[in-house]
Amino acid sequence: AQKITQTQPGMFVQEKEAVTLDCTYDTSDPSYGLFWYKQPSSGEMIFLIYQGSYDQQNATEGRYSLNFQKARKSANLVISASQLGDSAMYFCAMRVNTNAGKSTFGDGTTLTVKP
Amino acid sequence: NAGVTQTPKFRILKIGQSMTLQCTQDMNHNYMYWYRQDPGMGLKLIYYSVGAGITDKGEVPNGYNVSRSTTEDFPLRLELAAPSQTSVYFCASSGQVNQPQHFGDGTRLSIL
Repeated sequence: AQKITQTQPGMFVQEKEAVTLDCTYDTSDPSYGLFWYKQPSSGEMIFLIYQGSYDQQNATEGRYSLNFQKARKSANLVISASQLGDSAMYFCAMRVNTNAGKSTFGDGTTLTVKP
Repeated sequence: NAGVTQTPKFRILKIGQSMTLQCTQDMNHNYMYWYRQDPGMGLKLIYYSVGAGITDKGEVPNGYNVSRSTTEDFPLRLELAAPSQTSVYFCASSGQVNQPQHFGDGTRLSIL
């Protein structure tokens, strides 16, 4: 069975500082993909970043980077230089190769950026 | 470039009524999904499909049905609506496992 755990229901960060949102996962499949999505208060789901289980380097997309520690089964999202517009709910998600149709999401972390 | 289109955006149903939430995508994606999101919570997978004619249950399928007669369309049917089905429903589609899901704007459904 696949499981995603996000242990931080809410986080606060000062504008222009960096913040790390935690995600741990559980799967017995050796081939999988990890995703982070952002959901602003307007409700849409926005894809941020992807990490494959066989990728040698941590993924980066602009101010977003993924701290991937395979042995610890963690895939933390790091947002650098936080902006007020980063205030939103953030979800970690996983898909596995043997059942690529099935997708599992964590319960999310609400990030609030303070001016 | 429409992406994933869901209709309606809002709906109020009475207990016991039925309805179909429509979802269509124009990206030729094989994988399609239906999720529900309760207030302040994450997304729970209701049903998914890996291609036309193939569907499977997710975590919370009870009270729902789906069909996938074409690659583009993946409607979700609610039979005998119950207050516990009040939620926001998202449809999504994706390509292979290393590709992200594309989401529709959601349907806000209230059962009274």
